Amino acid sequence: GQQLNQSPQSMFIQEGEDVSMNCTSSSIFNTWLWYKQDPGEGPVLLIALYKAGELTSNGRLTAQFGITRKDSFLNISASIPSDVGIYFCAGHATRPSTGANSKLTFGKGITLSVRP
Amino acid sequence: EAQVTQNPRYLITVTGKKLTVTCSQNMNHEYMSWYRQDPGLGLRQIYYSMNVEVTDKGDVPEGYKVSRKEKRNFPLILESPSPNQTSLYFCASSHRGPNQPQHFGDGTRLSIL
Repeated sequence: GQQLNQSPQSMFIQEGEDVSMNCTSSSIFNTWLWYKQDPGEGPVLLIALYKAGELTSNGRLTAQFGITRKDSFLNISASIPSDVGIYFCAGHATRPSTGANSKLTFGKGITLSVRP
Repeated sequence: EAQVTQNPRYLITVTGKKLTVTCSQNMNHEYMSWYRQDPGLGLRQIYYSMNVEVTDKGDVPEGYKVSRKEKRNFPLILESPSPNQTSLYFCASSHRGPNQPQHFGDGTRLSIL
């Protein structure tokens, strides 16, 4: 099936630093989504991207939908301790066999640690 | 308050004893989905439902069943649980489909001994 590549598995940064996370795929996606999971909770949507080339911000977060539709990145600026968590990218593509608008694939996530 | 509610939050049980994890959403969402989260593997989709009485397999459906008799409920059934189904499970819903913002429950941690 489709796979999304997120690496590294863990990142350690100093409070105040900027950090960038990439998500790549060998397949084309129609939508890219970025979620954050705090410890002990379910993922929460950060940013949704629906057009190739789209650049969207949400506070200190900025995400872009790659022109090739096979990648996306998320930037966090001026990190703070509450940015700690697991960041997942997710890509959506229509199933070719059924045409159903239903398939969402998640990356394995990047665990971000922020040192005060 | 808009929410997705899963029960139980934690369960320890034994191999072969049928169990059901309930999921309910109060947002009138059409799309609902179940995921399992395992270390190093991220979130993998088990089953999803586009609407009432419409369900389909995700990436890892083996050993699971679901039903969608009402819009708000989407239970996950393990007919004969096995230790490899020990995991953290999340139910999620969105208005129309997976490309729209999904609201996740707080998770159910299952341990199958």
